[in-house]
This record gives sequence, structure tokens and C-alpha cells, in this order.
Amino acid sequence: QVQLQESGPGLVKPSGTLSLTCDVSGASISSSNWWSWVRQPPGKGLEWIGEIYHSGSTNYSPSLKSRVTISVDKSKNQFSLKLSSVTAADTAVYYCARDSNINYFFDYWGQGTLVTVSS
Amino acid sequence: EIVMTQSPATLSVSPGERATLSCRASQSVNSNLAWYQQKPGQAPRLLIYGASTRATGIPARFSGSGSGTEFTLTISSLQSEDFAVYYCQQYNNWPYNFGQGTKLEI
Repeated sequence: QVQLQESGPGLVKPSGTLSLTCDVSGASISSSNWWSWVRQPPGKGLEWIGEIYHSGSTNYSPSLKSRVTISVDKSKNQFSLKLSSVTAADTAVYYCARDSNINYFFDYWGQGTLVTVSS
Repeated sequence: EIVMTQSPATLSVSPGERATLSCRASQSVNSNLAWYQQKPGQAPRLLIYGASTRATGIPARFSGSGSGTEFTLTISSLQSEDFAVYYCQQYNNWPYNFGQGTKLEI
């Protein structure tokens, strides 16, 4: 049973850096899957942030690319998200998800974690 | 960047009736289209991928169709647990954009 679990601070100050980690269990982060971050502002739709492969290769959404870093730690079977220079517009539920090994849709999701940007 | 547009924004249907949700892409995504269901306070759940293939464990009342730029999710006989928000997502090109969602309400 593949499970993903997000963790990190629930409150970040404006202009600071949002940092989240996704722990993966029931699957190896070194498998032939990409691993993604998706966010959802309160009451709004879903936005794909970016993805990483265990080799360290990444793809980012152009709208966030200048502020996003996604990394992987194979020894801990986890991957992480850093989003810099945050504003209130970055307040959202952040999900980690696994890209299917068939194609780039998301077959497993974490439960999500709310990150609020506020002073 | 491919823009995904879902319609209608809200669909009011009675239990037992059929629901038809639409998703349009601003350019062809071939059959690289997925549908997700999201209930309040929960993560999205994969329903359909490849435009028409049901994910593991998804009931047969859910079906998807379309290719290119026009896609449809049909729920043949609505159950109480089907009332939720539905999102389409294209994965033909980066970034993997989602539609804005259709809320299916009683």
C-alpha cells in the first residue's frame, strides 16, 4: 500500500521560504516514477508545482519556476519542496503525489497540509 | 501552456440520474487526460486516465470519453457518495494543468 505523508511548518512569514517534506512508504522513491507537488488555495482549484525523478531530474511549472526547488533524499525515501519569497497568494493546501508509472497522472496522493503565509 | 476549461462550474443532479461533465483543452492533448474526484477535506482521487480507462477500484458507473481537445466524464446513475468536485488534468505537456473543477451537487 503506497502512502505519502506531507510534513512541515503550517505558518510561514511573508518573504520567507516554505519548506515541506513528503515521506513515502510502501514504494521506493528510486522506482520508475516521478514524484510531484500540487497545491490548492482555499476554496480554489488544483495547481501543479513540479516533479522530481530519483536521479534528481526536475520539471517545474513556469509560473513558479523562479521560486521553487524540489529535491530527493533516497536514503530517507522522501522528497522535498522549497518555495521562496512567499506571499499570501501562496497560502494553500500542499499535496505530494506520485506520478503513475504508466504516464504523468497522479495515482497516489498525500492527505495534504495547509500552509498559511502570514506575519 | 495548455489551458483546461471545465463546464459547467456547478451541476445539480438528483440521485439515480445521469451526470455529464465536460472538459476542453486549448490545444490537443491526445488522450493524455485524467479525471479526479475530490470531497471536502480530502485529497483528490484518480478516477480515469488515458481519457477512458478507469483506475483501480473505480465503479463501472464512471466512464470517460474523448480525445484531442474535447472530453467527457459520465456518471451513469448517481449515488450519494458521488457528490463532490471533479477535476480534469492534462499530462500531454508541461505544466500538467488542471481544469477549474465542476461541483456536482444534489
